[in-house]
Amino acid sequence: DAKTTQPNSMESNEEEPVHLPCNHSTISGTDYIHWYRQLPSQGPEYVIHGLTSNVNNRMASLAIAEDRKSSTLILHRATLRDAAVYYCILRIQGAQKLVFGQGTRLTINP
Amino acid sequence: NAGVTQTPKFQVLKTGQSMTLQCAQDMNHEYMSWYRQDPGMGLRLIHYSVGAGITDQGEVPNGYNVSRSTTEDFPLRLLSAAPSQTSVYFCASSRQGNQPQHFGDGTRLSIL
Repeated sequence: DAKTTQPNSMESNEEEPVHLPCNHSTISGTDYIHWYRQLPSQGPEYVIHGLTSNVNNRMASLAIAEDRKSSTLILHRATLRDAAVYYCILRIQGAQKLVFGQGTRLTINP
Repeated sequence: NAGVTQTPKFQVLKTGQSMTLQCAQDMNHEYMSWYRQDPGMGLRLIHYSVGAGITDQGEVPNGYNVSRSTTEDFPLRLLSAAPSQTSVYFCASSRQGNQPQHFGDGTRLSIL
């Protein structure tokens, strides 16, 4: 499975945008980029995924570099409820399993 | 809509005991999986199933057994508990293909 690299931790302020980076220089053409987050004492929660084009949903936006070697999860207006560990995961097309790294622990200051 | 339900939420075992962690989903998902999460770490895949009657090993399968007799249920069995199996266990399910996985709230297991 291709590897992702994320910062161990990030900090932001409430109501400000947050950009969470992920490097995946060994990504292959069939790898989808998935993001999950894990709130304290809960199971992971799906956030967003994409292949080549930027993606938006009600939770976040995913910006994918043109060469696909990096991506950024964007939370447009952070709230205290967004404090969580965010995982960037590469998932082979059609493959079921997810391979989690250590993720980025996001702290939101009031 | 219950989603993915895991029982029990907490359990304490003694070394050598056996037990079964239950996982049930009501979304008619074909794919189910078990992960463990140790303190400060990401999740690691134990076993997974792509449909009833089909199971396969993940990254850390030793010491665990699974079976999938129905679409809804995917129990995880610890045959002889060891302190190294102290962890939080998560069950997940999804439709076939590249669909998002839905996770349960976890079972916190301590082995003394």
